Order: sequence, then C-alpha cells, then structure tokens
Amino acid sequence: GENVEQHPSTLSVQEGDSAVIKCTYSDSASNYFPWYKQELGKRPQLIIDIRSNVGEKKDQRIAVTLNKTAKHFSLHITETQPEDSAVYFCAANHMEYGNKLVFGAGTILRVKS
Amino acid sequence: DAMVIQNPRYQVTQFGKPVTLSCSQTLNHNVMYWYQQKSSQAPKLLFHYYDKDFNNEADTPDNFQSRRPNTSFCFLDIRSPGLGDTAMYLCATSSQTQVYNEQFFGPGTRLTVL
Repeated sequence: GENVEQHPSTLSVQEGDSAVIKCTYSDSASNYFPWYKQELGKRPQLIIDIRSNVGEKKDQRIAVTLNKTAKHFSLHITETQPEDSAVYFCAANHMEYGNKLVFGAGTILRVKS
Repeated sequence: DAMVIQNPRYQVTQFGKPVTLSCSQTLNHNVMYWYQQKSSQAPKLLFHYYDKDFNNEADTPDNFQSRRPNTSFCFLDIRSPGLGDTAMYLCATSSQTQVYNEQFFGPGTRLTVL
C-alpha cells in the first residue's frame, strides 16, 4: 500500500520568509496530492492540490510542486504571515485504493513576527 | 451552501457509556468517511462507505461501528468508550464521480471520555 513521509515535523520561520514542506510517497500509481491546513481545534482545510498530470500549481502565496520520477511533492509558502501558523498535512491517493487518502504525519509551522 | 455538518460539536461521556456521533452532508457525495484524530497526529481513517458498501480499516477496534441509513447521513457508534478514545472525530465526504479524490471535511466532534 501507499506510504507518505513528511518533513520537517516542525518548522519555524520569520514573518516574510518562505516555508517549504516536503513529502515523499511510495506508490507511483498515486495520482492526486492534496495539502491540508489545520488550525488548532478546527477541521483540516484543503489549501491546494496537484494532480499527476502537472508539475506545479500556484495560488497566490502558495505553490505545490510534484516530481513523479522521484515520487516527492512539496508545499511552498512565500511571504509568510502569522496567520499561516498551523499544522499542514500532505496526502496521496489513488482511486484503486478504495477512495482513501494516505496522510503524512504533519508539519507544525510557526511564523514568528 | 453545500456542506458537511457534524453533531454534536462537543461530547463528554463516561467510561463505558455508549455514544453516537452524527454526520450529514448536502453535497450528495456517495463516499463518506470517519476519521479519528488525536492531538498532534494526522487523521486516522476508521472506516468509509462507498454508497452502501461498508469498508472497515483492518486496525479499527470492534468497539467502533457505523451506520449509513441514506446518502446524506452517517453515524459513528462507540459501544463502550475508553479513555483512549478521547479525540476529535472527523467526518468527510467525496464523490466517486470525480477522477480525483478530493475530500471535504466536517467541523469535527470533540469527544472526551471521563
């Protein structure tokens, strides 16, 4: 089955700096890679996703890159702000796995002002 | 607005006293999931329904059961809660008609077992 590893487990950056979170996956058949942001006590919220037919996707300050050959994908947040502080989860999916997402362990991002 | 709703938002129960959590959705999605999330951990899938077909994860304790009486509603029953079941329980939905499995999460029920 699929296995997703996420690094780092915690990340502290200064406000205005960039933050990068990396994930690797094991099954080359996976074709969908979402990123969720979860604030304390709230639901995971989808912030961006990428499908296996593209290599990069950007939405304002957030971007995701996918390297299918190396089986890794990354979240990039530029010009970080204190409200970006949260836990971020990556995930991977292939429909053959019974509609299941496999989550990474999460990254606690702290943006210091 | 189409959404995923969970009730109650907070639930306190006593050790061994059965509890039921509910989830409803207006998205008309055919797949519904229940996750358990403990502090500082990723959501852990307990089971999911593909239409009426129930799919249990291999490591989900027998103490956890689920019902899906119709497309819109899904319930999580914990027959004899233990202290270790204190967690956030998240319901999510997705549509099998999509090629990619985007999941939509409800706000969660925070369960405390005393």
